[in-house]
Amino acid sequence: KAGVTQTPRYLIKTRGQQVTLSCSPISGHRSVSWYQQTPGQGLQFLFEYFSETQRNKGNFPGRFSGRQFSNSRSEMNVSTLELGDSALYLCASSPYGGARYGYTFGSGTRLTVV
Amino acid sequence: AQTVTQSQPEMSVQEAETVTLSCTYDTSESDYYLFWYKQPPSRQMILVIRQEAYKQQNATENRFSVNFQKAAKSFSLKISDSQLGDAAMYFCAYKGNNDMRFGAGTRLTVKP
Repeated sequence: KAGVTQTPRYLIKTRGQQVTLSCSPISGHRSVSWYQQTPGQGLQFLFEYFSETQRNKGNFPGRFSGRQFSNSRSEMNVSTLELGDSALYLCASSPYGGARYGYTFGSGTRLTVV
Repeated sequence: AQTVTQSQPEMSVQEAETVTLSCTYDTSESDYYLFWYKQPPSRQMILVIRQEAYKQQNATENRFSVNFQKAAKSFSLKISDSQLGDAAMYFCAYKGNNDMRFGAGTRLTVKP
């Protein structure tokens, strides 16, 4: 069974640009969550999608958005990039989103904003 | 709001020895789950062990076990017979009704 796949693995963008990251969950998983990991702030929750609907959202500005498609694949978008957006972005999939069934993480996308 | 605290930024253990990583959390919820995740240099967060709050019995997975003290809101991870491959960042995490909350992590070094 394939794991959670995140693409691309690395990304370098210029301040002011926008970026789209992709996450393909484990087959059959309907929930996808996104996290931002930085040395200073640690792991912070961005949002969770379940069956194409945003179910929960973290405390991030509106520049951060996401969506989920009918095949459960998810994308997150960051517009007007700032230097502080440089981070490792992790996604995690779960059958239904509850902790009972556990979360499986991908290897992340390392975003560098210059 | 729920918070998770890992008070040990770094820990070191000799190969084949035992090490315990500490974690405390704060919550007013009665139903929740606690996790320990391992993040090696490959960056992928790997689930080490999970504990349901309603279960009194401590979870065990091979060389990994937890000491769950619900009243004290403490959830420590014990690694027995440490191996070189155990070297990684370890994160304690809490999941209640809302999003999963992580501690700041403990970097574990295993000395040969």
